[in-house]
Amino acid sequence: DAGVTQSPTHLIKTRGQQVTLRCSPKSGHDTVSWYQQALGQGPQFIFQYYEEEERQRGNFPDRFSGHQFPNYSSELNVNALLLGDSALYLCASRWGADTQYFGPGTRLTVL
Amino acid sequence: SQQGEEDPQALSIQEGENATMNCSYKTSINNLQWYRQNSGRGLVHLILIRSNEREKHSGRLRVTLDTSKKSSSLLITASRAADTASYFCATDAAGGGNKLTFGTGTQLKVEL
Repeated sequence: DAGVTQSPTHLIKTRGQQVTLRCSPKSGHDTVSWYQQALGQGPQFIFQYYEEEERQRGNFPDRFSGHQFPNYSSELNVNALLLGDSALYLCASRWGADTQYFGPGTRLTVL
Repeated sequence: SQQGEEDPQALSIQEGENATMNCSYKTSINNLQWYRQNSGRGLVHLILIRSNEREKHSGRLRVTLDTSKKSSSLLITASRAADTASYFCATDAAGGGNKLTFGTGTQLKVEL
């Protein structure tokens, strides 16, 4: 049983560009959340998707958007990249109110 | 914003010793979870303790929760070099829709 998978592993972009990160949840999980982890910090909640809708959102600007597909996989899109968007982006999935399982993350570097 | 704060920020011990990390948080919670992270990789779930529980064990891990003090502790007994990692507490706030709010983490180094 595959756990949460994310792609790509690493990504380098320049300021102003746009990026799309992908996440496949653990089998049987229907809720996907995205977190941003800056170097030396704990992860910060970006948003959560359930039934293809954004259910909750953290304190992130509208440049951060997402999508959930019928197979529960999800994308995180970031527009107009800033240097400060450089971070490890983590996807987590769960079923119901159960434990959240995290993927390995995508390391985004903005130059 | 960070809900919790872990203490200490860094901890260095010898293999075989016990390691204790503490976490404080600010709001009422449904549960509190501890995660481990190796070298900036993904988070590995260690243990979940619910707000109506006071202590929980899993292998070499022991977690306590004091909701009156809004604090939790993680004890790793008989530590191993492989336990070297960053440890984070994360709270699932009451009425928070199951989003997790993480602390700043404790960096544990276990030396041979």
